[in-house]
Amino acid sequence: GQNIDQPTEMTATEGAIVQINCTYQTSGFNGLFWYQQHAGEAPTFLSYNVLDGLEEKGRFSSFLSRSKGYSYLLLKELQMKDSASYLCAVMDSNYQLIWGAGTKLIIKP
Amino acid sequence: GAVVSQHPSWVICKSGTSVKIECRSLDFQATTMFWYRQFPKQSLMLMATSNEGSKATYEQGVEKDKFLINHASLTLSTLTVTSAHPEDSSFYICSASSGTSGGRDTQYFGPGTRLTVL
Repeated sequence: GQNIDQPTEMTATEGAIVQINCTYQTSGFNGLFWYQQHAGEAPTFLSYNVLDGLEEKGRFSSFLSRSKGYSYLLLKELQMKDSASYLCAVMDSNYQLIWGAGTKLIIKP
Repeated sequence: GAVVSQHPSWVICKSGTSVKIECRSLDFQATTMFWYRQFPKQSLMLMATSNEGSKATYEQGVEKDKFLINHASLTLSTLTVTSAHPEDSSFYICSASSGTSGGRDTQYFGPGTRLTVL
């Protein structure tokens, strides 16, 4: 079967750095997406990785290792507004998105 | 760019009535639109995928006669929940992709519609 694993919840301190991991097992791979979802709102697109390596976009970076079936989202200089759920999703060989359950990130002052 | 709107944002209706939700891509043509449902503290559940001008593809367990999807143009898809019941109360979210990346397209989400059936 296909599955995406990510931690259910993480806590971090304002101003710090946090890394949210995602491991996956899918039938084929056409890229990995990270989305941010604030409570009661729809997801917003953060990043897309299809090749191995690190993609940096401001305070957020996303890393992919296809051989390990592994990705992480790195958030630097955490702000209170970063409190949200972070969803990892993998596009399989049929171009279907397989969604993780999301990681709820709690930022404390 | 890549803005998707959804209307209404929230709706309360009586059991047995039908509710229509609209999803529009405002600044791009959406070859494919997706409809999701999300229950509190749970992940997104894909209900169906629709391509402009063709019938929607429903996920297993989703009743196509209850959740009617129409993707009549490259900027508009509608989801109609027919004969809604309290168990249909949920957060319904649409997303759209342009289909310009050979299938590897980013999905951009609408703001969601919160449906409460009394």
